[in-house]
Amino acid sequence: DARVTQTPRHKVTEMGQEVTMRCQPILGHNTVFWYRQTMMQGLELLAYFRNRAPLDDSGMPKDRFSAEMPDATLATLKIQPSEPRDSAVYFCASGSTLGGNIQYFGAGTRLSVL
Amino acid sequence: TQLLEQSPQFLSIQEGENLTVYCNSSSVFSSLQWYRQEPGEGPVLLVTVVTGGEVKKLKRLTFQFGDARKDSSLHITAAQPGDTGLYLCAGEAVSDRDDKIIFGKGTRLHILP
Repeated sequence: DARVTQTPRHKVTEMGQEVTMRCQPILGHNTVFWYRQTMMQGLELLAYFRNRAPLDDSGMPKDRFSAEMPDATLATLKIQPSEPRDSAVYFCASGSTLGGNIQYFGAGTRLSVL
Repeated sequence: TQLLEQSPQFLSIQEGENLTVYCNSSSVFSSLQWYRQEPGEGPVLLVTVVTGGEVKKLKRLTFQFGDARKDSSLHITAAQPGDTGLYLCAGEAVSDRDDKIIFGKGTRLHILP
């Protein structure tokens, strides 16, 4: 049963700490997306990759957020330093350019910054 | 900036009733998707509509893409508690040559037993 795996599922941290969220896309998928979901803003695209190359990170605060794909099986989203306003659920999704624009989401990382 | 407006934001109805939720935009989309998200999980794709005027049925759910490909609706017949969740529409812009889709903020549906 292929699925996108995100770790950790929950993270509580203090303001100023570094947070790293990880995502394992579905094997064979070549696009990876990072989203942030809040009640107020809904699902916002932060960054996305195609074939491990970053194509768009315009939705991401550049001064504190960074997204990378060290290899085809791992995508990371880092926040340094974290702030209380970063509290949200962060989703990773993967897809294939050969399979239409269908995105398969992970279960998310619920981040709370105190 | 392309926006997808979903209405209503919240809907709470009794089991067995029918309902319709809407997804509207001033922009044209090459395709539109509907996702359902349950608490503690990520969104899961229900359907993709591509052709203006297209109607797709998934058991008790009927999805329609507007003729001008700017809007869509989701109709649920005889709602059941298992239909409870957040329904998101997402559109693929006509002009974009990338893989991005734009999400609406969703309709939060609660079916009362």
